[in-house]
Amino acid sequence: EAGVAQSPRYKIIEKRQSVAFWCNPISGHATLYWYQQILGQGPKLLIQFQNNGVVDDSQLPKDRFSAERLKGVDSTLKIQPAKLEDSAVYLCASSYLQGDSPLHFGNGTRLTVT
Amino acid sequence: LAKTTQPISMDSYEGQEVNITCSHNNIATNDYITWYQQFPSQGPRFIIQGYKTKVTNEVASLFIPADRKSSTLSLPRVSLSDTAVYYCLAWTNTGTASKLTFGTGTRLQVTL
Repeated sequence: EAGVAQSPRYKIIEKRQSVAFWCNPISGHATLYWYQQILGQGPKLLIQFQNNGVVDDSQLPKDRFSAERLKGVDSTLKIQPAKLEDSAVYLCASSYLQGDSPLHFGNGTRLTVT
Repeated sequence: LAKTTQPISMDSYEGQEVNITCSHNNIATNDYITWYQQFPSQGPRFIIQGYKTKVTNEVASLFIPADRKSSTLSLPRVSLSDTAVYYCLAWTNTGTASKLTFGTGTRLQVTL
């Protein structure tokens, strides 16, 4: 099966600019996650969707981050305006709805904010 | 969610068996243990998952004792390509999609 697709692979922006990341999950996966991974740390969950509804966005900095999953398939994560501390890899993952279904991750988008 | 504790790093020679132990003293009845592997510039990859006793697949074995306060990931005969970060996660099975909380993981370095 095709894996989780993410684009772009790399992005460099200046602080206060905006940026968007795109994710296409594995076909049939109802649940989609966005994680932020800062260098040297484990991934941190930003937002979790079930179909096109938000299940958990408790750790999403809502003053600057937004995400949507229109039609319950693809998803977009946006940062506006970006800060230096947003430099990280943004990982998208998807899974089946069943609780014990493992997460399948994409290779992420590496964001550098200068 | 149960907090997990695992060594920051481990070193091994190629061909050896590697055992990475994870502590989860406050694990709940509905909690499962899952291990992920992450190579540089890639997303984490699912390795193995279990609830108790022993689980084995083509990649690894997972040992969980009866009290479930710890678990051990066993990698038989590691190779250089097993150099990666390994994450131990305890998560609650609510019947619907899980929410995984990652720690800092164990960085395994395999050398000749």
